[in-house]
Amino acid sequence: RKEVEQDPGPFNVPEGATVAFNCTYSNSASQSFFWYRQDCRKEPKLLMSVYSSGNEDGRFTAQLNRASQYISLLIRDSKLSDSATYLCVVNYNAGNMLTFGGGTRLMVKP
Amino acid sequence: DAGVIQSPRHEVTEMGQEVTLRCKPISGHNSLFWYRQTMMRGLELLIYFNNNVPIDDSGMPEDRFSAKMPNASFSTLKIQPSEPRDSAVYFCASSLARQGGVGSPLHFGNGTRLTVT
Repeated sequence: RKEVEQDPGPFNVPEGATVAFNCTYSNSASQSFFWYRQDCRKEPKLLMSVYSSGNEDGRFTAQLNRASQYISLLIRDSKLSDSATYLCVVNYNAGNMLTFGGGTRLMVKP
Repeated sequence: DAGVIQSPRHEVTEMGQEVTLRCKPISGHNSLFWYRQTMMRGLELLIYFNNNVPIDDSGMPEDRFSAKMPNASFSTLKIQPSEPRDSAVYFCASSLARQGGVGSPLHFGNGTRLTVT
């Protein structure tokens, strides 16, 4: 079993739609969680950290469920520019090493 | 502010040749990571340095791969000899690790696209 698993997609949604991605992680001791965004042929960039109580940044909402060991990302009012691959990232030990999921590809259509 | 700087951006080489990838982390960051990304395997951590010391190199595929960090502002990843299956995008990333070691966000360089023919 992979340490961090994501549905690869692609998720094809119309502009304005709400879309949600989940990500599961295997190590219950994981402490830090992030969502990264990666555009085609570019480097991953931090989208947002995920906090225990859940957090929101504009149209983006991240949630953490420790009991079920998953994190989620909700995107409201999708824009064409949201089209990208979204990477779930978890630290799987007590140190500073981060493990990336395989990514979920989102395509927002006009 | 300068981000993580990697060179070269693209490298095309023949099988058997030595390849050296370079990285300059963000000034003040104390952790440096080398990742490899392919379509099949996604982003894989190769090696991780903290305060210039290699902490975990379990992701290095084999002895053909080596990495060094002689000082806080420079790291290299070397492949010798290179093979076609090494073709991938190699990313360097840095972060400021907090006391206690809880994961910090990574800042990535633009990557080096390596093609081995």
